[in-house]
Amino acid sequence: GENVEQHPSTLSVQEGDSAVIKCTYSDSASNYFPWYKQELGKGPQLIIDIRSNVGEKKDQRIAVTLNKTAKHFSLHITETQPEDSAVYFCAASSGPRDDKIIFGKGTRLHILP
Amino acid sequence: GAVVSQHPSWVICKSGTSVKIECRSLDFQATTMFWYRQFPKQSLMLMATSNEGSKATYEQGVEKDKFLINHASLTLSTLTVTSAHPEDSSFYICSVPPGLAESSYEQYFGPGTRLTVT
Repeated sequence: GENVEQHPSTLSVQEGDSAVIKCTYSDSASNYFPWYKQELGKGPQLIIDIRSNVGEKKDQRIAVTLNKTAKHFSLHITETQPEDSAVYFCAASSGPRDDKIIFGKGTRLHILP
Repeated sequence: GAVVSQHPSWVICKSGTSVKIECRSLDFQATTMFWYRQFPKQSLMLMATSNEGSKATYEQGVEKDKFLINHASLTLSTLTVTSAHPEDSSFYICSVPPGLAESSYEQYFGPGTRLTVT
């Protein structure tokens, strides 16, 4: 089955700097890669996703890149703000909609004042 | 607004009792729903796939007789933790794939239910 590795487990960045979280996946059949933000005591919230027919996607301060050959995908957050502090999860799925989503172990992001 | 709701949001039960958690899709019908479990400071681990009109599919290592899943309708799935033990204390989260559009890959997650077994 699919295995998703995520690094780092903890990341601290100065407010205004950029944060990068990296993930790898094992199943070449995976074709959908969502990223979730989870705040304490809440369910995960989708912040951006990418499908395997696209190499990069951007939404304001958030961008995701995908390298299918290397089975790598990354989340980039620019101009970080205090409200970006949370746990971020990458995930993979062989989609579409009815297929299960496998999560990475998560990255706890701290934005330092 | 919320697309998926869960009830209750938190529950405390005594060891040996059973507790039922509901997951409702508010905006669309769903023939499939997913149940996840998340221990403190850990990731979401898929427990089972809830299928409307048929038996749930459980992930390896998840006891189907302990975690009973009933997909009662196209908008409701329930997870019953039977004979709960303290080690079942966790955050239970459901997810719902949207509508019937083949192009939809996103799943919507519920707000979670915090279960504490004393």
